[in-house]
Amino acid sequence: DAGVIQSPRHEVTEMGQEVTLRCKPISGHDYLFWYRQTMMRGLELLIYFNNNVPIDDSGMPEDRFSAKMPNASFSTLKIQPSEPRDSAVYFCASSSKGASGDPDTQYFGPGTRLTVL
Amino acid sequence: AQKITQTQPGMFVQEKEAVTLDCTYDTSDPSYGLFWYKQPSSGEMIFLIYQGSYDQQNATEGRYSLNFQKARKSANLVISASQLGDSAMYFCAMRERTGGSYIPTFGRGTSLIVHP
Repeated sequence: DAGVIQSPRHEVTEMGQEVTLRCKPISGHDYLFWYRQTMMRGLELLIYFNNNVPIDDSGMPEDRFSAKMPNASFSTLKIQPSEPRDSAVYFCASSSKGASGDPDTQYFGPGTRLTVL
Repeated sequence: AQKITQTQPGMFVQEKEAVTLDCTYDTSDPSYGLFWYKQPSSGEMIFLIYQGSYDQQNATEGRYSLNFQKARKSANLVISASQLGDSAMYFCAMRERTGGSYIPTFGRGTSLIVHP
C-alpha cells in the first residue's frame, strides 16, 4: 500500500505569496495530521482531522494558516500571505483508529520543505 | 515542564556495536504510549517501535528494542548491531489522555552517527 503522499516536496516562494501544500493520507486511515518542523521549535502539531472534520487547530500559528480536508483522500494546508518565518518542513501524517477510537500509530509523509524568501 | 526529554543531542557508535538512545517522559496519566521515530538525512519520519504503558514486555522490532522502565519514566531505544544506515535523527514521542487529545508530543531528537 502506498504511504502518505505529499506535494510538492520542495517549494520556494516569495514573501506575500500564497502557498498550498497537499497531502494524500493512507487509504482507510481515519485521522490526518499536519506538523511543522523547525530547528528552533522542533516538531509541532498544527491541526488534525478525524473523518475529514477538524478536531484541534490550536497549533495553527495564526490566521494566515488554514487547512481543509474536503474528502477522505485529500487535505491541503494553505498559507496566505506567506512570510520568511514560515520557512520549515511541513509534514502530513495519517493514522487509523485504534480499538478505543483514538488515533493509532502515525505514519508520516516525506514532508514539504518550504522556503519563503 | 517538558513532556519528553532527550538529553543526548548527538551520539556516536562504531558499526556493529549496540547503542542506547535516552528518553525520559513526564506524565501523571496511567494510560500512555511511547513511540520512537527515525529521521534520516532524506527527511522522512519513519516509525520504529511502540510501547504501551500497560504492556508487560519491552517492545522489540528486529534490531530495535525499547528499554521501558516505568518507575523511572524512561523509554530508551536500543539499537543492536548498528549499521551505517542507522545514522539519522531519532525522536521519542509520548501520547497521554490528559488534556483530551491522544496525540503524541515529540522530543527534540538525538542525532546518531554510525562510524565504519
